[in-house]
Amino acid sequence: DAGITQSPRYKITETGRQVTLMCHQTWSHSYMFWYRQDLGHGLRLIYYSAAADITDKGEVPDGYVVSRSKTENFPLTLESATRSQTSVYFCASSGQRGSYEQYFGPGTRLTVT
Amino acid sequence: EDQVTQSPEALRLQEGESSSLNCSYTVSGLRGLFWYRQDPGKGPEFLFTLYSAGEEKEKERLKATLTKKESFLHITAPKPEDSATYLCAVQERLAGFQKLVFGTGTRLLVSP
Repeated sequence: DAGITQSPRYKITETGRQVTLMCHQTWSHSYMFWYRQDLGHGLRLIYYSAAADITDKGEVPDGYVVSRSKTENFPLTLESATRSQTSVYFCASSGQRGSYEQYFGPGTRLTVT
Repeated sequence: EDQVTQSPEALRLQEGESSSLNCSYTVSGLRGLFWYRQDPGKGPEFLFTLYSAGEEKEKERLKATLTKKESFLHITAPKPEDSATYLCAVQERLAGFQKLVFGTGTRLLVSP
């Protein structure tokens, strides 16, 4: 089924471990985004990508790394997880520059113990 | 800095009781204002984009309107299935990329 998918949907990890969240879209959208959603903060942009091999920081990038070797995939890596990174993570994508709405995946709930 | 404020934080309605949600924003130049619906445990679902003051968009029981400083999401004769969190986001005209600034949402509960 076409769309945007995220995996895993739920993840529990320990402080200091590396964890990668996956995002895959089938629309061939140019833009992809990673957000985190926390109570009281709404959705905050972590990183975004305008195209394959082009990425840049958002509002809260510290502690995260991204890559985009293929248009359809945009993985987010927490290099050394901290408890403050416990959150729900959403991936989103957007098409042509003239179409600004973003379409979101189902989210990954990450708990760092 | 761009700011988006949504009110009320939570709203409880009886089925059929119409009401409005508010999204006020401060940006130096608005490129677009977006409304999303988010159900528990799911990602935000796109509803509307509004680009200029005076514009209106409708979808079933929802109608979104835009002025120079705020947007309203009007819900006419709501049903229990309209219960969700409604998110507002703005995109600044001068932003070098498709940056959206989100409000914290209004949690709507419609009781039968």
